[in-house]
Amino acid sequence: DTGVSQDPRHKITKRGQNVTFRCDPISEHNRLYWYRQTLGQGPEFLTYFQNEAQLEKSRLLSDRFSAERPKGSFSTLEIQRTEQGDSAMYLCASTSSLGQGLFRPYEQYFGPGTRLTVT
Amino acid sequence: RKEVEQDPGPFNVPEGATVAFNCTYSNSASQSFFWYRQDCRKEPKLLMSVYSSGNEDGRFTAQLNRASQYISLLIRDSKLSDSATYLCVVETIKAAGNKLTFGGGTRVLVKP
Repeated sequence: DTGVSQDPRHKITKRGQNVTFRCDPISEHNRLYWYRQTLGQGPEFLTYFQNEAQLEKSRLLSDRFSAERPKGSFSTLEIQRTEQGDSAMYLCASTSSLGQGLFRPYEQYFGPGTRLTVT
Repeated sequence: RKEVEQDPGPFNVPEGATVAFNCTYSNSASQSFFWYRQDCRKEPKLLMSVYSSGNEDGRFTAQLNRASQYISLLIRDSKLSDSATYLCVVETIKAAGNKLTFGGGTRVLVKP
């Protein structure tokens, strides 16, 4: 357990429905990343927050996707009007420029992911 | 062309043997390099950073060749527990933050 939690761990939804995932980073980590991973592929960057500011979004993040980190702590990723192609593992990672205890600076610590299946 | 490319494998390795594999990256501005390990249906975890001078961590040795833009990982005396997917990761440092780009992973299966 890295200290990054994600909820839910699994989500099955029907095409066209909206879904929302939550990520709780390691406390006091100011940077938070979202990635998407499909079977047989490595994680692909979606978006990144420093505190509450969303600083970068990938072209993979279509208009149906939105992410927030309202208080600079937890983050949510919402997918509207889900499509079968959205089926994937959605991973969250957090990091800080400062090391804390056993956590090394700048290393991204990943949560367990939310596995989305769109039927 | 993908930014980071890896042989997907699988590499079938007898227990106790040595296995090595590479990855290539296309962005010459990349500044940091890593190997992550990912077990089936689990999150990626950092295995080791990769330095230009080469570095070793127990049975694992990583090398970086900036001129040819490739990274390698060698595992000696393979254990059954080394069975996993090894992700090559390249980091680009920007003013807005650090961005990791992952390869597709190399699957390693260590067999008795």
